[in-house]
Amino acid sequence: DAKTTQPPSMDCAEGRAANLPCNHSTISGNEYVYWYRQIHSQGPQYIIHGLKNNETNEMASLIITEDRKSSTLILPHATLRDTAVYYCIVRAFGTNSGYALNFGKGTSLLVTP
Amino acid sequence: NAGVTQTPKFQVLKTGQSMTLQCAQDMNHNSMYWYRQDPGMGLRLIYYSASEGTTDKGEVPNGYNVSRLNKREFSLRLESAAPSQTSVYFCASSEQGASDTIYFGEGSWLTVV
Repeated sequence: DAKTTQPPSMDCAEGRAANLPCNHSTISGNEYVYWYRQIHSQGPQYIIHGLKNNETNEMASLIITEDRKSSTLILPHATLRDTAVYYCIVRAFGTNSGYALNFGKGTSLLVTP
Repeated sequence: NAGVTQTPKFQVLKTGQSMTLQCAQDMNHNSMYWYRQDPGMGLRLIYYSASEGTTDKGEVPNGYNVSRLNKREFSLRLESAAPSQTSVYFCASSEQGASDTIYFGEGSWLTVV
């Protein structure tokens, strides 16, 4: 499974864009990049995912580099409620764990007033 | 919209006691998962069930058993609880496929004393 590298923590001012980077240099050509977040020990919440193209939904945008070795999650107008741990995950293929998600330690995002 | 429902939400056990965590999903998903999360850590996969009638070990299966009772329900059993199993347990479900989103329950807080 491809591993991911994220900064342990980031700060962002309320109302500004939060850009969370993720490195996944060993990603395989048919593996998806997923982003989840976890607010204060609640169940992880799905944000967005992508394969090759950039993606946007009502929560965020996902920018994947052309070589697919890194990606950036963008929260366009961060609010205090976006304070959470953000996980960048490469979706496991194969028989070892089905299609389960392999979580790392993520990035702890603090949105400040 | 119940989604993924876990019971109980909180439980305190004595070392050596047994208990079962229950999980049910109402999204007609094929795959279900059990994760644990220790303080300050990411989620780790205990067991998963890719489809009804199948179960497989994840990253940390020792000390646990699972049962995929039917398509809706996936239970996690601790036969002889140990303090090292004090953790937050999350159940999750998804359709089969790497592009399918995994949805999580709200967690079950287990303390073994």
